Amino acid sequence: GENVEQHPSTLSVQEGDSAVIKCTYSDSASNYFPWYKQELGKRPQLIIDIRSNVGEKKDQRIAVTLNKTAKHFSLHITETQPEDSAVYFCAASKTPGNQFYFGTGTSLTVIP
Amino acid sequence: GAVVSQHPSWVICKSGTSVKIECRSLDFQATTMFWYRQFPKQSLMLMATSNEGSKATYEQGVEKDKFLINHASLTLSTLTVTSAHPEDSSFYICSAFGLAAFFGQGTRLTVV
Repeated sequence: GENVEQHPSTLSVQEGDSAVIKCTYSDSASNYFPWYKQELGKRPQLIIDIRSNVGEKKDQRIAVTLNKTAKHFSLHITETQPEDSAVYFCAASKTPGNQFYFGTGTSLTVIP
Repeated sequence: GAVVSQHPSWVICKSGTSVKIECRSLDFQATTMFWYRQFPKQSLMLMATSNEGSKATYEQGVEKDKFLINHASLTLSTLTVTSAHPEDSSFYICSAFGLAAFFGQGTRLTVV
């Protein structure tokens, strides 16, 4: 099955700085890559996603890049704010409606 | 947007009893739903894929007789933890795919 690795496991940045989280996947058939933000005790919330026919996608302060050849994708958060502090999970799926395999998570702390 | 509702959000049960968790898609039909388990400070681990009108597909290592899944309608999947033991204590969360994958709010199960 799919194996998704995520780095770093913890990340602390100063407010206003950028944060980058990286994921790799093993199954070349995966073609849908969402990112989720999870606050303690709450459900994961989709923040951005990318499909394999696109190399980059941006939504305000959040962007995701995908390198299908290398099988890695990254989340970029610019101008970080304290409310960005949460655990972020990447995931990979063969099609958007199929099961997701999640990365191990990154605990992001934005220091005011 | 699409909403997935999970019930109960918190349950405490005695060892040896069974607990049923419901997952409902509120404004869309889901032929497939997914059940995940999350330990504290860890990622979401896929347990099984729930298929409407047919048997669930379990991930390797997940006991199908212990975690009974029923997907009787296009809007409801249930997970029953049978003969629960303290090691089954965890955060269980379901998801279904509308325009994107949406998660239920999760169920925190504590077995005493």
